[in-house]
Amino acid sequence: SAVISQKPSRDICQRGTSLTIQCQVDSQVTMMFWYRQQPGQSLTLIATANQGSEATYESGFVIDKFPISRPNLTFSTLTVSNMSPEDSSIYLCSVEDRTGDYGYTFGSGTRLTVV
Amino acid sequence: AQSVTQLDSHVSVSEGTPVLLRCNYSSSYSPSLFWYVQHPNKGLQLLLKYTSAATLVKGINGFEAEFKKSETSFHLTKPSAHMSDAAEYFCVVTPSGGYNKLIFGAGTRLAVHP
Repeated sequence: SAVISQKPSRDICQRGTSLTIQCQVDSQVTMMFWYRQQPGQSLTLIATANQGSEATYESGFVIDKFPISRPNLTFSTLTVSNMSPEDSSIYLCSVEDRTGDYGYTFGSGTRLTVV
Repeated sequence: AQSVTQLDSHVSVSEGTPVLLRCNYSSSYSPSLFWYVQHPNKGLQLLLKYTSAATLVKGINGFEAEFKKSETSFHLTKPSAHMSDAAEYFCVVTPSGGYNKLIFGAGTRLAVHP
């Protein structure tokens, strides 16, 4: 199955600043997904990133707050902009894995704390 | 529209006793269903999946789940709980075929007592 390297694993940031999270996949994938997991909550999809086109955002998420890049078929970044304490969450990337054991593979997550 | 409901936010069992984590889904399409586990401070790990093949699905670590279309359920079971099973479990639904986003349940926290 696909292997995802996500970094940073955690960070503590000042409010008003921005953080860029990177995900690198060891194989080419069409779609990459970005999720947010707020403290004690389930996962919510932020957006879907397709290579060569703009990301598709879910209701409640906007590009100005969560800009996404997808420069090639193995890499994507999510930026959390102008952060506030409410942005403190775990952010995860995911890919649909059609090789071998079908499923969705997740990165290990970025635990973000905004102070 | 799709949704998934995990009927218990917390389940507590004794080591060696059976585990039952309940999940009901709603889907307009023929769904794919997954169970993921998240250990504290760890990433998500796929336990098992249903993708319109056998309705009884066996996963890792002795877990299995049965897809029951008539009941729109996909409950997760394990005959004998182990201390290492303590974690958060998520039931997930997505329509089969092509790209589709995952819809996560709220999660069930499983506690295992000695």
